[in-house]
Amino acid sequence: EIQLVESGGGLVQPGESLRLSCAASGFTFSSYSMNWVRQAPGKGLEWISYISTNSYTIYYADSVRGRFTISRDNAKNSLSLLMSSLTDEDTAIYYCARVSDSTHIDFWGQGTLVAVSS
Amino acid sequence: QSVLTQPPSVSGAPGQTITIPCTGSGSNIGAGYDVQWYQQFPGTAPKLLIYDNNNRPSGVPDRFSGSKSGTSASLAITGLQAEDEADYYCQTYDNSLSAWGIFGGGTKLTVL
Repeated sequence: EIQLVESGGGLVQPGESLRLSCAASGFTFSSYSMNWVRQAPGKGLEWISYISTNSYTIYYADSVRGRFTISRDNAKNSLSLLMSSLTDEDTAIYYCARVSDSTHIDFWGQGTLVAVSS
Repeated sequence: QSVLTQPPSVSGAPGQTITIPCTGSGSNIGAGYDVQWYQQFPGTAPKLLIYDNNNRPSGVPDRFSGSKSGTSASLAITGLQAEDEADYYCQTYDNSLSAWGIFGGGTKLTVL
C-alpha cells in the first residue's frame, strides 16, 4: 500500500522556521519526483515546490522562493520542506505528493497543518 | 487570481450531466500541455480523477471524463450522484512560469 505521511506541522509565530517531513512507503521512492502542495483554510490548492528523483531539478513557487527549501533522502525514503521567515499567509495544510510522468500528482499524503500566528 | 480560471460553483440534479470548465491561455492549455483534474472532499486530501486530458486512473468511474480544446479544458460528469459533491481542480503546466505546474482556483459541485 502506497503511503505518504507528513509530519512536523504546528503553531509557530511569524518569522519563525519549521521543518516538515514526509515518510514514503509502498513504492520505490527514489524513482519518483515529489511535490509539496498547500491549501490555505477555505482556499484552493497551491503548488509550492518540486524536486526531481536525484534532487538535481528543484522548483519553487514565487510565493515561497528564497524562504522554503525542499530536499529528499532517497536512502531514508523521506521528503522534507524547511520553511523560514514564516508569515500568516503561510498558514495552510501542507500536502506531500507523488509526481507521475512529470506532469501530474497520482498520490497525496493526508496533509499536515501549519498555523502561523502571534 | 489563478492563471487557470474555473467557476467557483456549479450544481446539478441527480442523474444530470454537468461540465466544469477550466480556461487557460496560450502559455498553458493552449500550448498543448496536458490537463489533469483532481477531486477533493471536505477534510480530505485531493485525489487524481483525470490525467493527460482524458485518462482515468484505475477505480475512477467512467461517468467522469475530460476534454480539451484550444485554451480550455472541461470535466464532465454524467449520471450525477450525491456522492459526487466535492471540489474539483484542474492542473497543467505553464511555460511562462518557473514552476512545475499550476492549479485552477477550484469549483465546488453541489448535487441538488
